[in-house]
Amino acid sequence: AQSVTQLGSHVSVSEGALVLLRCNYSSSVPPYLFWYVQYPNQGLQLLLKYTSAATLVKGINGFEAEFKKSETSFHLTKPSAHMSDAAEYFCAVTTYSGSARQLTFGSGTQLTVLP
Amino acid sequence: DSGVTQTPKHLITATGQRVTLRCSPRSGDLSVYWYQQSLDQGLQFLIQYYNGEERAKGNILERFSAQQFPDLHSELNLSSLELGDSALYFCASSVPSSPGQDTGELFFGEGSRLTVL
Repeated sequence: AQSVTQLGSHVSVSEGALVLLRCNYSSSVPPYLFWYVQYPNQGLQLLLKYTSAATLVKGINGFEAEFKKSETSFHLTKPSAHMSDAAEYFCAVTTYSGSARQLTFGSGTQLTVLP
Repeated sequence: DSGVTQTPKHLITATGQRVTLRCSPRSGDLSVYWYQQSLDQGLQFLIQYYNGEERAKGNILERFSAQQFPDLHSELNLSSLELGDSALYFCASSVPSSPGQDTGELFFGEGSRLTVL
Protein backbone atom coordinates (compact mmCIF):
# COMPACT_ATOMS: atom_id res chain seq x y z
CA ALA A 1 0.00 0.00 0.00
CA GLN A 2 1.20 3.47 -0.78
CA SER A 3 2.29 5.63 2.13
CA VAL A 4 4.24 8.74 2.95
CA THR A 5 6.81 9.33 5.64
CA GLN A 6 7.50 12.75 7.06
CA LEU A 7 10.89 13.13 8.68
CA GLY A 8 10.81 15.31 11.74
CA SER A 9 7.63 15.81 13.70
CA HIS A 10 8.82 19.26 14.79
CA VAL A 11 10.90 21.76 12.85
CA SER A 12 11.96 25.18 14.11
CA VAL A 13 13.39 27.93 11.93
CA SER A 14 14.13 31.57 12.43
CA GLU A 15 12.06 34.18 10.65
CA GLY A 16 13.63 34.79 7.24
CA ALA A 17 15.40 31.42 7.16
CA LEU A 18 14.86 28.60 4.70
CA VAL A 19 12.03 26.19 5.44
CA LEU A 20 12.59 22.55 4.47
CA LEU A 21 10.01 19.91 5.38
CA ARG A 22 10.77 16.39 4.26
CA CYS A 23 8.43 13.83 2.75
CA ASN A 24 9.21 10.48 1.19
CA TYR A 25 6.67 8.28 -0.51
CA SER A 26 6.68 4.55 -1.06
CA SER A 27 5.68 3.61 -4.56
CA SER A 28 7.34 2.51 -7.75
CA VAL A 29 4.81 4.46 -9.82
CA PRO A 30 4.75 8.26 -9.58
CA PRO A 31 1.63 8.96 -7.54
CA TYR A 32 -0.37 12.07 -7.01
CA LEU A 33 1.23 13.88 -4.08
CA PHE A 34 0.02 16.76 -1.97
CA TRP A 35 1.07 19.09 0.79
CA TYR A 36 -1.65 20.36 3.09
CA VAL A 37 -1.34 22.92 5.89
CA GLN A 38 -3.36 23.08 9.08
CA TYR A 39 -3.41 26.34 11.02
CA PRO A 40 -4.48 26.22 14.67
CA ASN A 41 -8.17 25.43 15.09
CA GLN A 42 -8.72 25.16 11.36
CA GLY A 43 -9.19 22.45 8.78
CA LEU A 44 -6.62 21.32 6.23
CA GLN A 45 -5.88 23.60 3.32
CA LEU A 46 -4.17 22.53 0.11
CA LEU A 47 -0.73 24.10 -0.34
CA LEU A 48 0.22 22.40 -3.58
CA LYS A 49 -0.14 19.20 -5.55
CA TYR A 50 1.97 17.11 -7.91
CA THR A 51 0.16 15.47 -10.79
CA SER A 52 3.10 14.56 -13.09
CA ALA A 53 2.81 17.72 -15.20
CA ALA A 54 6.00 19.21 -13.74
CA THR A 55 8.48 18.05 -11.14
CA LEU A 56 8.77 21.48 -9.51
CA VAL A 57 5.42 22.53 -8.13
CA LYS A 58 4.64 25.99 -6.87
CA GLY A 59 1.97 26.49 -4.28
CA ILE A 60 0.39 29.21 -2.24
CA ASN A 61 2.20 31.52 0.21
CA GLY A 62 5.58 31.11 -1.51
CA PHE A 63 5.91 27.37 -0.92
CA GLU A 64 7.14 24.95 -3.52
CA ALA A 65 7.99 21.26 -3.68
CA GLU A 66 10.14 19.19 -5.99
CA PHE A 67 9.21 15.67 -7.00
CA LYS A 68 12.30 13.46 -7.25
CA LYS A 69 11.51 10.01 -8.49
CA SER A 70 15.05 8.71 -7.94
CA GLU A 71 14.81 9.66 -4.27
CA THR A 72 11.06 8.98 -3.89
CA SER A 73 10.86 12.38 -2.25
CA PHE A 74 8.55 15.38 -2.34
CA HIS A 75 10.13 17.87 0.05
CA LEU A 76 8.45 21.19 0.76
CA THR A 77 10.51 24.38 0.79
CA LYS A 78 10.12 28.10 1.24
CA PRO A 79 13.10 30.47 0.85
CA SER A 80 12.20 32.78 3.71
CA ALA A 81 10.01 31.84 6.65
CA HIS A 82 7.39 34.18 7.98
CA MET A 83 5.79 34.11 11.39
CA SER A 84 2.46 33.35 9.74
CA ASP A 85 3.89 30.07 8.38
CA ALA A 86 3.73 28.50 11.83
CA ALA A 87 1.35 25.57 11.41
CA GLU A 88 1.25 21.82 10.94
CA TYR A 89 2.10 20.51 7.50
CA PHE A 90 0.95 17.20 6.08
CA CYS A 91 2.25 15.32 3.09
CA ALA A 92 -0.33 13.05 1.44
CA VAL A 93 -0.51 10.53 -1.36
CA THR A 94 -3.45 9.27 -3.36
CA THR A 95 -4.25 5.66 -2.61
CA TYR A 96 -6.77 3.36 -4.18
CA SER A 97 -8.99 0.70 -2.71
CA GLY A 98 -10.42 -0.94 -5.78
CA SER A 99 -11.86 1.97 -7.72
CA ALA A 100 -12.25 4.15 -4.64
CA ARG A 101 -9.76 6.95 -4.24
CA GLN A 102 -8.64 8.41 -0.94
CA LEU A 103 -5.74 10.31 0.55
CA THR A 104 -3.26 8.76 2.94
CA PHE A 105 -1.53 11.32 5.12
CA GLY A 106 1.85 11.40 6.74
CA SER A 107 2.14 11.96 10.46
CA GLY A 108 2.61 15.70 10.07
CA THR A 109 5.37 18.20 10.82
CA GLN A 110 4.79 21.05 13.22
CA LEU A 111 6.62 24.15 12.01
CA THR A 112 7.63 26.76 14.54
CA VAL A 113 8.97 30.11 13.34
CA LEU A 114 11.17 31.93 15.83
CA PRO A 115 11.40 35.74 15.85
CA ASP B 1 -13.41 29.06 3.22
CA SER B 2 -13.34 25.59 1.65
CA GLY B 3 -17.10 25.42 1.15
CA VAL B 4 -17.39 22.33 3.35
CA THR B 5 -19.53 22.90 6.43
CA GLN B 6 -19.38 20.79 9.56
CA THR B 7 -21.58 20.94 12.63
CA PRO B 8 -21.25 21.07 15.53
CA LYS B 9 -17.82 22.66 15.91
CA HIS B 10 -17.47 21.46 19.47
CA LEU B 11 -19.21 18.69 21.35
CA ILE B 12 -18.73 17.46 24.90
CA THR B 13 -20.40 14.29 26.00
CA ALA B 14 -20.05 11.38 28.39
CA THR B 15 -18.83 7.83 27.92
CA GLY B 16 -21.47 5.48 26.60
CA GLN B 17 -23.35 8.20 24.78
CA ARG B 18 -24.09 8.57 21.09
CA VAL B 19 -23.46 11.62 18.91
CA THR B 20 -24.05 12.59 15.30
CA LEU B 21 -21.71 14.79 13.30
CA ARG B 22 -22.98 16.47 10.19
CA CYS B 23 -21.23 17.51 6.99
CA SER B 24 -22.37 19.49 3.99
CA PRO B 25 -19.97 19.10 1.06
CA ARG B 26 -18.99 21.78 -1.43
CA SER B 27 -21.66 22.52 -3.96
CA GLY B 28 -21.43 19.95 -6.75
CA ASP B 29 -19.13 17.54 -4.93
CA LEU B 30 -20.39 13.98 -4.92
CA SER B 31 -17.73 12.40 -2.70
CA VAL B 32 -17.59 12.82 1.06
CA TYR B 33 -14.80 11.54 3.24
CA TRP B 34 -14.53 11.30 7.02
CA TYR B 35 -11.21 11.48 8.84
CA GLN B 36 -10.33 11.28 12.52
CA GLN B 37 -7.43 13.31 13.89
CA SER B 38 -6.04 12.47 17.29
CA LEU B 39 -2.71 13.15 18.94
CA ASP B 40 -1.63 9.52 19.06
CA GLN B 41 -3.06 8.28 15.75
CA GLY B 42 -2.63 11.30 13.49
CA LEU B 43 -5.01 11.67 10.56
CA GLN B 44 -6.88 8.42 9.97
CA PHE B 45 -9.25 7.79 7.09
CA LEU B 46 -12.57 6.45 8.30
CA ILE B 47 -14.96 6.12 5.39
CA GLN B 48 -15.87 7.49 1.98
CA TYR B 49 -19.21 7.93 0.25
CA TYR B 50 -19.88 8.70 -3.37
CA ASN B 51 -23.32 9.87 -4.44
CA GLY B 52 -25.01 8.13 -1.55
CA GLU B 53 -23.13 4.86 -1.67
CA GLU B 54 -20.29 3.68 0.52
CA ARG B 55 -17.11 3.62 -1.54
CA ALA B 56 -14.30 2.75 0.81
CA LYS B 57 -13.76 1.93 4.44
CA GLY B 58 -10.68 2.70 6.46
CA ASN B 59 -10.01 2.37 10.15
CA ILE B 60 -13.60 2.85 11.21
CA LEU B 61 -14.76 1.13 14.38
CA GLU B 62 -17.92 -0.97 14.37
CA ARG B 63 -19.40 1.47 16.90
CA PHE B 64 -19.20 4.15 14.22
CA SER B 65 -21.39 4.40 11.16
CA ALA B 66 -22.03 6.93 8.46
CA GLN B 67 -24.36 7.66 5.61
CA GLN B 68 -24.77 10.09 2.76
CA PHE B 69 -28.22 11.39 1.98
CA PRO B 70 -29.85 12.20 -1.39
CA ASP B 71 -29.00 15.90 -0.92
CA LEU B 72 -25.36 14.72 -0.54
CA HIS B 73 -24.89 15.82 3.05
CA SER B 74 -23.38 13.19 5.29
CA GLU B 75 -23.62 12.18 8.91
CA LEU B 76 -21.16 10.30 11.05
CA ASN B 77 -22.71 8.48 13.99
CA LEU B 78 -20.53 7.59 16.95
CA SER B 79 -22.06 5.33 19.60
CA SER B 80 -21.03 3.76 22.91
CA LEU B 81 -18.46 6.49 23.17
CA GLU B 82 -15.18 5.87 24.96
CA LEU B 83 -12.58 8.29 26.26
CA GLY B 84 -10.32 7.34 23.36
CA ASP B 85 -12.87 8.58 20.85
CA SER B 86 -12.03 12.15 21.81
CA ALA B 87 -10.63 13.65 18.63
CA LEU B 88 -11.14 16.10 15.83
CA TYR B 89 -13.37 14.66 13.12
CA PHE B 90 -12.96 16.10 9.65
CA CYS B 91 -15.20 15.87 6.68
CA ALA B 92 -13.80 16.45 3.22
CA SER B 93 -15.34 16.53 -0.21
CA SER B 94 -13.98 16.24 -3.69
CA VAL B 95 -14.95 17.31 -7.17
CA PRO B 96 -16.22 14.57 -9.46
CA SER B 97 -13.57 14.33 -12.10
CA SER B 98 -13.51 13.23 -15.71
CA PRO B 99 -12.06 9.81 -16.38
CA GLY B 100 -8.28 9.95 -16.35
CA GLN B 101 -8.15 13.32 -14.58
CA ASP B 102 -8.51 12.23 -11.01
CA THR B 103 -6.02 14.19 -8.90
CA GLY B 104 -7.40 13.26 -5.51
CA GLU B 105 -7.59 16.80 -4.15
CA LEU B 106 -9.85 17.01 -1.12
CA PHE B 107 -11.47 20.09 0.41
CA PHE B 108 -11.73 19.95 4.18
CA GLY B 109 -14.18 21.39 6.64
CA GLU B 110 -12.99 22.96 9.89
CA GLY B 111 -13.78 19.84 11.86
CA SER B 112 -15.91 18.83 14.80
CA ARG B 113 -14.01 18.55 18.06
CA LEU B 114 -15.43 15.76 20.20
CA THR B 115 -14.55 15.51 23.86
CA VAL B 116 -15.69 12.43 25.75
CA LEU B 117 -15.61 12.75 29.55
